[in-house]
Order: sequence, then structure tokens, then C-alpha cells
Amino acid sequence: DAKTTQPPSMDCAEGRAANLPCNHSTISGNEYVYWYRQIHSQGPQYIIHGLKNNETNEMASLIITEDRKSSTLILPHATLRDTAVYYCIVGPDTGFQKLVFGTGTRLLVSP
Amino acid sequence: DTEVTQTPKHLVMGMTNKKSLKCEQHMGHRAMYWYKQKAKKPPELMFVYSYEKLSINESVPSRFSPECPNSSLLNLHLHALQPEDSALYLCASSRDVGGNEQFFGPGTRLTVL
Repeated sequence: DAKTTQPPSMDCAEGRAANLPCNHSTISGNEYVYWYRQIHSQGPQYIIHGLKNNETNEMASLIITEDRKSSTLILPHATLRDTAVYYCIVGPDTGFQKLVFGTGTRLLVSP
Repeated sequence: DTEVTQTPKHLVMGMTNKKSLKCEQHMGHRAMYWYKQKAKKPPELMFVYSYEKLSINESVPSRFSPECPNSSLLNLHLHALQPEDSALYLCASSRDVGGNEQFFGPGTRLTVL
């Protein structure tokens, strides 16, 4: 079973920041938070992951609360191409992962 | 090359047919995966191969038979499928030790008649 909870859908205006929340209250000490997205008719795409510090890469920023029970993925300037289903997943960082996808958040970016 | 390729893109087969799905990566990844995704649902893990050996089988019916002939190639052999097996089949790969992201292919859309 997925160990995360996400809102089923969100809307965002093009050019604005998209803030996607995720609750993972049962996360254990050695589990990371991963974010993937799936654009329609494509395979999922890795975005970012983190343990407890905030992380940033060329795609997004990940903010993890101090108690690690929730996190927020931030797309700083959303574009129409960011319309996708965003999945928040928790899992270990060592060895290969058994990704368990939840239902995700369907983000719609509009002009 | 950071791409996972899958062939064919689309496949239609009857319940008595035997077919195979193919997945290939040239990133030197030693873990490869098969996922199944039904319409409007998240992907579900089917199999994991690590160093060309089957590591995880998520209780998948035997009509699905995975094969990893070498470190770059992953096959999924299909036999006597049911219409409810119609789905998008996704392949992914990752580095093994220390690997922390999976690269997914575009998938094969399978229709069983």
C-alpha cells in the first residue's frame, strides 16, 4: 500500500508557482521522499528526492518539514508542459527501489 | 544515452497468442523493472531484476514470463492472456547499489482481444 496522501487534483496558472503537498506521516528514519511525474501517454519521470534537507534541482524544489511527516514539491514557474500526474513516494535510498505509486495529484496548468 | 526504449509501442493479441515485449537500456544500470498500468490508475510493480537475476515477483500470474538475457535487455513473454490484462506495460531501470532514481520507457500499450 502507498504510504503517502496527496490531493487528487490541483490547478495552476501558467508562470505561477505550483506547490504540490504530500503527507507521509508514517515515514521511517531511513526512507527518502521521491517525486515522479507522468505526462499523459508517457512513462513516469523522476523529478527530485530528499531525506530531510530541502533540495533543489533544475526541475523543482522539495521542501520537507522538520518532523518529515509532510513535504511540498514546488515548480517555481509552471508551464503548460508541466501538466501531469505528480506522484509522491517514500522509499529507501540503498539498493534498488520498490516504488509503490499512490494515486498522485493531477496538476493542470492553464494559460 | 539516458533512454529506456520499449518495443513495440502498441500490441494487439488474441487470448491464444504468444508475444513478447522488449525493453533496452544502455546506461549501465543493473536493476530493471516491469510495471503494469491500467487506465487512470498508478503503475504497479510486476517484476524486478537485479544483476540479471529475478529479485522480486509481485505474485504475477504465470502467463507473464520475464526474462533478462543480459544487463541491457529485459523481455516480458506473454501467453494465454486475458482481456483484463490489457494495459500499458512500462519498463524501467536504475543503478543498483546507490541507485535512487528509475528511468522509465514510454511503455507498450497492450490490447488483448
